Amino acid sequence: SQQGEEDPQALSIQEGENATMNCSYKTSINNLQWYRQNSGRGLVHLILIRSNEREKHSGRLRVTLDTSKKSSSLLITASRAADTASYFCATRDSGGYQKVTFGIGTKLQVIP
Amino acid sequence: NAGVTQTPKFRVLKTGQSMTLLCAQDMNHEYMYWYRQDPGMGLRLIHYSVGEGTTAKGEVPDGYNVSRLKKQNFLLGLESAAPSQTSVYFCASSYHSGRARAQHFGDGTRLSIL
Repeated sequence: SQQGEEDPQALSIQEGENATMNCSYKTSINNLQWYRQNSGRGLVHLILIRSNEREKHSGRLRVTLDTSKKSSSLLITASRAADTASYFCATRDSGGYQKVTFGIGTKLQVIP
Repeated sequence: NAGVTQTPKFRVLKTGQSMTLLCAQDMNHEYMYWYRQDPGMGLRLIHYSVGEGTTAKGEVPDGYNVSRLKKQNFLLGLESAAPSQTSVYFCASSYHSGRARAQHFGDGTRLSIL
């Protein structure tokens, strides 16, 4: 079963609006990462948040982590057409096997 | 700086044929990974390597073999291709610890098995 599950699976917004994507996971984690995938390309790392952090910012990206609810959210502010992509959360287990598990992703469409 | 390079980009095979997917990274990363991406399934780890000469099974290793003879290269082999192995295959690499464990991906190999 998938460790990270993104919600919604698809999101369509107008350029300039904010986009929020959520990720839920099941086990204890060391960190949670968000990746972007443009059509036909590989994944690109966006931001990493450790289990002892609650919020991280990077440019127009804001990530929150709630370990008590085992959930994270990615907020993209003032979206642009170039933000159109699929977004994946990935969790790294806190156990001995430091495996990273990817979710199914949220497909974001930003309409110009 | 090329990052992670995968070859070939596309390939069509017949059932039962064999092939090797090549992955090369120029970032001196210790860890390398092979994933497959299928619609509605996300990325699933096939095999990974924590260093030259070492490999380990991931989530879906059956039907695949790997080798890491050089630190910069990670090869994925299909000995007898099956239609269920039709997928997009991604190679990734990362440092071994800390924040730098973020993975760097190639652009994928699109493989169709007829």
